[in-house]
Amino acid sequence: GESVGLHLPTLSVQEGDNSIINCAYSNSASDYFIWYKQESGKGPQFIIDIRSNMDKRQGQRVTVLLNKTVKHLSLQIAATQPGDSAVYFCAENTALSGGYNKLIFGAGTRLAVHP
Amino acid sequence: SAVISQKPSRDICQRGTSLTIQCQVDSQVTMMFWYRQQPGQSLTLIATANQGSEATYESGFVIDKFPISRPNLTFSTLTVSNMSPEDSSIYLCSGRWTGELFFGEGSRLTVL
Repeated sequence: GESVGLHLPTLSVQEGDNSIINCAYSNSASDYFIWYKQESGKGPQFIIDIRSNMDKRQGQRVTVLLNKTVKHLSLQIAATQPGDSAVYFCAENTALSGGYNKLIFGAGTRLAVHP
Repeated sequence: SAVISQKPSRDICQRGTSLTIQCQVDSQVTMMFWYRQQPGQSLTLIATANQGSEATYESGFVIDKFPISRPNLTFSTLTVSNMSPEDSSIYLCSGRWTGELFFGEGSRLTVL
């Protein structure tokens, strides 16, 4: 828990500002992408997902943008709150044989929200 | 949502010993996975735990080091064999339920 995010890039924002977290993915054949939030001492939690036939999806205070041309994902968090402080990972869905899938995680970004 | 419980949540182990981590899901899940998260890093997939057959390992991970069992749709175990300090890590179990991947809280192993 407490060591999660220790060596990851950090994005520092003021409470109330908007945050943008970026991620590059590797497999142009990936058809599904997910953003996860990981708080200290916990497992990753699903935030939002997007399929490859979309370029934008909105949730509550969060928006995911997908640019397949440059294989880039971003997570936008509106009106960032102290409770948003965590490590954020993007993950891409890769197809396995037999119709099953596996998730491959990106490097992660630590979001630090300051009052 | 599916709730995934892991045991132990943390342990301190001696070099050369083996430890088995248990993962219990409260719903029948189609697929279960084991990930490793080394300090300050992202999650790395170790293997897909297949029900009733041998696990499918990712490059760099082998069955002799990380034997996995999955006797039914709600339970799996991961053993970390012949541990060395380099195996100190958080090991996470995950299960796919209604298309979404849920994670346990992780098992933090420290090898001395």
